[in-house]
Amino acid sequence: EIVLTQSPDFQSVTPKEKVTITCRASQSIGSSLHWYQQKPDQSPKLLIKYASQSISGVPSRFSGSGSGTDFTLTINSLEAEDAAAYYCHQSSSLPWTFGQGTKVEIK
Amino acid sequence: QMQLQESGPGLVKPSETLSLTCAVSGYSISSGYYWGWIRQPPGKGLEWIGSIYHSGSTYYNPSLKSRVTISVDTSKNQFSLRLNSVTAADTAVYYCARDGGYQRASGLFDYWGQGTLVTVSS
Repeated sequence: EIVLTQSPDFQSVTPKEKVTITCRASQSIGSSLHWYQQKPDQSPKLLIKYASQSISGVPSRFSGSGSGTDFTLTINSLEAEDAAAYYCHQSSSLPWTFGQGTKVEIK
Repeated sequence: QMQLQESGPGLVKPSETLSLTCAVSGYSISSGYYWGWIRQPPGKGLEWIGSIYHSGSTYYNPSLKSRVTISVDTSKNQFSLRLNSVTAADTAVYYCARDGGYQRASGLFDYWGQGTLVTVSS
């Protein structure tokens, strides 16, 4: 099973600041890495697919990069509505697995 | 607009079977995507349970495979989850979702239901 490790676990950020969340896979997964945003009491929402591909309707301040074992989600100019938990997710090999999550709090 | 809605008992006794259904509207299950179940214990992360195609082809997480059955009813445009011999560790919000890989299981979940909390307790 591929283990995904996110860092940090928690981040408290000022609005308009840049946020970087990393996800490291226990083995190479190519570009089969996706990012989800989950706000309190809501279901996860797909933000980025296949490491860097944008999703229709998702603000352009969200971007992804990386391949192999190291991936990054960047939120440029954080807004108050971005307070949420962020999860990476791999679909390279079964069983599909998720990172433990990163909670982003607005200062 | 496609929507997914989970339904089922919110409370299940230990050792019994958890049964949930996901009703899909705005899209035909038979049109070519896989459909999956994912769960999230309170305050914790996400765990993929399994996925199914309209033909009945399934993939399960090995950690749950011995206790899980996912089935599909194309006539009702819904799919279901059964998890037997439940314990408190199975307490979670259960989500159904569409796998975005057309005609193949891609593992990329692009549409999600709202989720339903199932508590295992006597």
